[in-house]
Amino acid sequence: GAVVSQHPSWVICKSGTSVKIECRSLDFQATTMFWYRQFPKQSLMLMATSNEGSKATYEQGVEKDKFLINHASLTLSTLTVTSAHPEDSSFYICSARRGWGSYSGRATDTQYFGPGTRLTVL
Amino acid sequence: QKEVEQDPGPLSVPEGAIVSLNCTYSNSAFQYFMWYRQYSRKGPELLMYTYSSGNKEDGRFTAQVDKSSKYISLFIRDSQPSDSATYLCAMNSGGYQKVTFGTGTKLQVIP
Repeated sequence: GAVVSQHPSWVICKSGTSVKIECRSLDFQATTMFWYRQFPKQSLMLMATSNEGSKATYEQGVEKDKFLINHASLTLSTLTVTSAHPEDSSFYICSARRGWGSYSGRATDTQYFGPGTRLTVL
Repeated sequence: QKEVEQDPGPLSVPEGAIVSLNCTYSNSAFQYFMWYRQYSRKGPELLMYTYSSGNKEDGRFTAQVDKSSKYISLFIRDSQPSDSATYLCAMNSGGYQKVTFGTGTKLQVIP
C-alpha cells in the first residue's frame, strides 16, 4: 500500500507554455500533499503544501501565481507551471501524507513520494 | 549554515561491506528522523523512521539518533549492489511541521 503516482514522468515544452503535473495517491486518501523541486546534487526543496479543499500554502520565495496548485480531491493534486522558462527546468516530486501513524505513542508524519516528473523547458 | 548537513559522497564500497551514512543538524527542536532511499530518476522511498534518541533496526538497516550530538546515522549491513542509490536523511519537529531534507549521499556498492 501507500502508492503515489505522478504524470507525466517527463515533459519537454517550449518557453512560455504551461505544464500541468498530476499527483495521485492510488490506495489511500491524502488530505495533505506536498510539492518539491530537486536540483542535481541538492536537497529536496519544499515548494508548497496542498490541503484538500483549501488554498495551498507556499514556501517563502515560491511564486504562487507561477506555480498553481489545486487539490480538488483526497487522491489528486495538480501543479501547473505557468509561462515556463528554462530556469524552471527541474525534477518535481510530490508526496502525500497518509495520515497519522503512531510511534512510541506519538503521532507521526509519514510522507510517501511519487516517482517525480522531469521538466525540461527549451 | 544549513539546518541539515550531509556529505554528498559518492561513497563506494565493495559488496558485503558495512556502510555508515551520517547527517548532522543544528535545530534542537527536531524529534523525528527519517532515512529515504532514492534511485536515479525516481522519487524517495521511506526506509526508516525513528523518534528521539536511540536505535532502530529493520533487517540489514539500523538507524541511530544521538540528539545530544545532533547526529544521526544509518548503517547498512551486508551491502548489496541493489543498495546503490542516494540516501537522504530527513527530520522535523513533529506534528504538521515541515520536513527538512539533507542533500543526500550517493552510495555505490561494487560487486
